[in-house]
Amino acid sequence: QVQLQESGPGLVKPSQTLSLTCTVSGGSISSGGYYWSWIRQHPGKGLEWIGYIYYSGSTYYNPSLKSRITISVDTSKNQFSLKLRSVTAADTAVYYCARGLDRDAVTPFEYWGQGTLVTVSS
Amino acid sequence: DIQMTQSPSSVSASVGDRVTITCRASQGIGSWLAWYQQKPGKAPKLLIYTASTLHSGVPSRFSGSGSGTDFSLTISSLQPEDFATYYCQQNTGFPYTFGQGTKLEIK
Repeated sequence: QVQLQESGPGLVKPSQTLSLTCTVSGGSISSGGYYWSWIRQHPGKGLEWIGYIYYSGSTYYNPSLKSRITISVDTSKNQFSLKLRSVTAADTAVYYCARGLDRDAVTPFEYWGQGTLVTVSS
Repeated sequence: DIQMTQSPSSVSASVGDRVTITCRASQGIGSWLAWYQQKPGKAPKLLIYTASTLHSGVPSRFSGSGSGTDFSLTISSLQPEDFATYYCQQNTGFPYTFGQGTKLEIK
């Protein structure tokens, strides 16, 4: 059973960089051929897909955030990470990492982390 | 971006009721639609994908239908554990987009 767990600071100051890591257990990022995504949910609001990384390192980002984000993978640690630069209060959200159902970019999200709340505030 | 619009935004129903939630895409997405259930403080849970395929372990009282731009999720006989928020998501065009959610409340 694949499990994902987000980690990182719960409080980030405006204009700084939000950094989160997703640790995967129960399966290897490098061997599975799956797409690994970041998704966020503003308080009391809907879901926004941020971007994905393939096990090979190729990425695709939501154009609305593309200029500020970097998603990377560390297969040796079985982790992938999100960096979001120049944050504002509008980036306050619960951040989830997730894995697709199939070995395909066009796939829904089967496995999710529990989510981590990141608050942007001075 | 493909816009996903759900209706209603909220619905009140009783245990045993049949409930249908609809989702409309701003352009055709074939059958590339998924439905999720989310309970407070929890991550979304995949219920249905490719519009009508029930995900493993999901009770058969859940069903999905539709193609193109119009889709629906039906719960045939509501159980207490079904009261939650439901989201649709298109996974054919990047960026992936979700509906705004439908909150299913106990009447």
